[in-house]
Amino acid sequence: GNSVTQMEGPVTLSEEAFLTINCTYTATGYPSLFWYVQYPGEGLQLLLKATKADDKGSNKGFEATYRKETTSFHLEKGSVQVSDSAVYFCALGISGGTSYGKLTFGQGTILTVHP
Amino acid sequence: DAGVIQSPRHEVTEMGQEVTLRCKPISGHNSLFWYRQTMMRGLELLIYFNNNVPIDDSGMPEDRFSAKMPNASFSTLKIQPSEPRDSAVYFCASSEGYGGAVYEQYFGPGTRLTVT
Repeated sequence: GNSVTQMEGPVTLSEEAFLTINCTYTATGYPSLFWYVQYPGEGLQLLLKATKADDKGSNKGFEATYRKETTSFHLEKGSVQVSDSAVYFCALGISGGTSYGKLTFGQGTILTVHP
Repeated sequence: DAGVIQSPRHEVTEMGQEVTLRCKPISGHNSLFWYRQTMMRGLELLIYFNNNVPIDDSGMPEDRFSAKMPNASFSTLKIQPSEPRDSAVYFCASSEGYGGAVYEQYFGPGTRLTVT
């Protein structure tokens, strides 16, 4: 089956620190990969995505590269801000068949950034 | 576009009562997903629909839970009778969901349910 494993949190950083949140996946077929972010009291929203191997998704200073050889999609940011404090979810979707847009989500990683 | 709309945003009810959560997906989207989020279990997919037809309800925890999608612009998730362990945030999400392609899901703001 398909699954996503994220590094366990919570992750606590000081402002301007470098961020990495690890994500690895297991998939049958050719997955597209996503990072979603959930700010306190809100629903999940798409942060970035990559649809094929070696693609790099980027948004708001965050980046993630689709690595097929290591089945990974690690999230990085060079300098975090207090406003980046949120829960981050890695997810995959499989093309083909009858998935109808279903995504498989990881367990989420809580990030707290202190001033 | 108003995005995915959920109501109510907060619901407090007593054990044994019926609870109905409502969702209006983004116009033109034909897949709709219901999730439950708790600290203990994280984000769980309960059920999803495509073109108003339930595709997979294997995540529905038990017979007390039911979901319907009578038309393309409305879905309900009902819990009857409710129990304290049903307390959670319930999210609705929608996506384009045509056949085998992969699409971004758009989430609503959630309904925070508290069963006392």
